[in-house]
This record gives sequence, structure tokens and C-alpha cells, in this order.
Amino acid sequence: EDKVVQSPLSLVVHEGDTVTLNCSYEVTNFRSLLWYKQEKKAPTFLFMLTSSGIEKKSGRLSSILDKKELFSILNITATQTGDSAVYLCAVVGNYGQNFVFGPGTRLSVLP
Amino acid sequence: DAGVIQSPRHEVTEMGQEVTLRCKPISGHNSLFWYRQTMMRGLELLIYFNNNVPIDDSGMPEDRFSAKMPNASFSTLKIQPSEPRDSAVYFCASSLTGGARNTEAFFGQGTRLTVV
Repeated sequence: EDKVVQSPLSLVVHEGDTVTLNCSYEVTNFRSLLWYKQEKKAPTFLFMLTSSGIEKKSGRLSSILDKKELFSILNITATQTGDSAVYLCAVVGNYGQNFVFGPGTRLSVLP
Repeated sequence: DAGVIQSPRHEVTEMGQEVTLRCKPISGHNSLFWYRQTMMRGLELLIYFNNNVPIDDSGMPEDRFSAKMPNASFSTLKIQPSEPRDSAVYFCASSLTGGARNTEAFFGQGTRLTVV
């Protein structure tokens, strides 16, 4: 059974801190790993990772994948209160037809 | 494209009533997913379709739940009869998959279902 585990489940930091969110997975026929940010409504897409060792970067956010050890990390530097959200990790397997989500990490950034 | 469109946005119903949630995926996408999200269980995959065919419905909680996709532009998730524990936000998502192509899943805004 495909599985995604995220840690920590909850994290409270202050503005300006750097955070690292973790995602490990087991999936049949791995295709890609995705990170989403969910605030009050629907999840919004951040990154898609398909190859090991290649960092994806968008502003203060970056992510990298290790397909040998079956994990990914999402880094957020110089956090802001607007980064407060649930960050979801999802893996795509089974020939690209199935998205399985982890439980999410709830990040709270205090002013 | 307007994105994935779900209706209704909110639904309040009495226990025992039938509830039908609707979804219009992004035009051209060939995979459609129904998810349920609660505080306790997070985002759970209920069922997904590829090219209108149900591929995996192992996430459907019980026989009270059913989903259909009669064509590429429309899907329904039905709960009959509904129970208070079905209260959750139900998301529909779509993506383009196949061969070397694999887009991210795009989510609708969700239907917040409350069963009283």
C-alpha cells in the first residue's frame, strides 16, 4: 500500500526562522513527489520533484528529493507570518494515476 | 480555464438524506480524484478515475458512498444515506497523466458538507 509520512506534524516558529519539513514515502512505480501549501481553502501547488539531488527553488522555498532513501525535504528560509499553513506532501505512483497525500505539517509562524 | 469547479460550496443536510456532490475537471485532464478532508484524518483519497474509468475505489469508506464519471467533463460523489460522521470537506482534483506527461493535481475549492 502506498504511504506518505510527514514530520513534524506541527511546528511553531518565529518570523525570520528557517524551517525544514520532512516527507518520507513508499509507493509502487514512483513517478513524482509534490509539495502543496494549504491555507484556508484548497491545496495550492508548490513543487514537483522527479529526480534525485536536483533542488527546486521558488523565492524563500526550496525542496529536494532523495529517491534512494525515499524522502524529500521542504525548506523555508526567513519565515513570514504568511507562511503559516499546512504543507502537504504527495507522491504519484502507479504509472502516474494516483496521488497519495501525507497528513501534512501544520506550520505556525508567530510575529 | 476556470479550474476545477465543484458544487455546491456548502451543503447542510439532515441525517439519512441523500447528498450529491458535483465536479467539473479542467478541460483536457484525464484523471479525476475525490478526496475527503477532516481534522482527524487529513486528506484521504476516496476514489480516482482515469479516462472516465474508476481505477481504485478502495478509499471509499462504505457502500453508502458511490461515485460516477459519465463523461470527461463531469463527476459526482453520492452519499446515501448520509450520517453525521460524513461531515467533512470534499475536494475534487484533476490532472493530466499518461506516458511521459504528468502534471500536478489541481484542486477545486471543495464542498463543505455538514450532516446534522
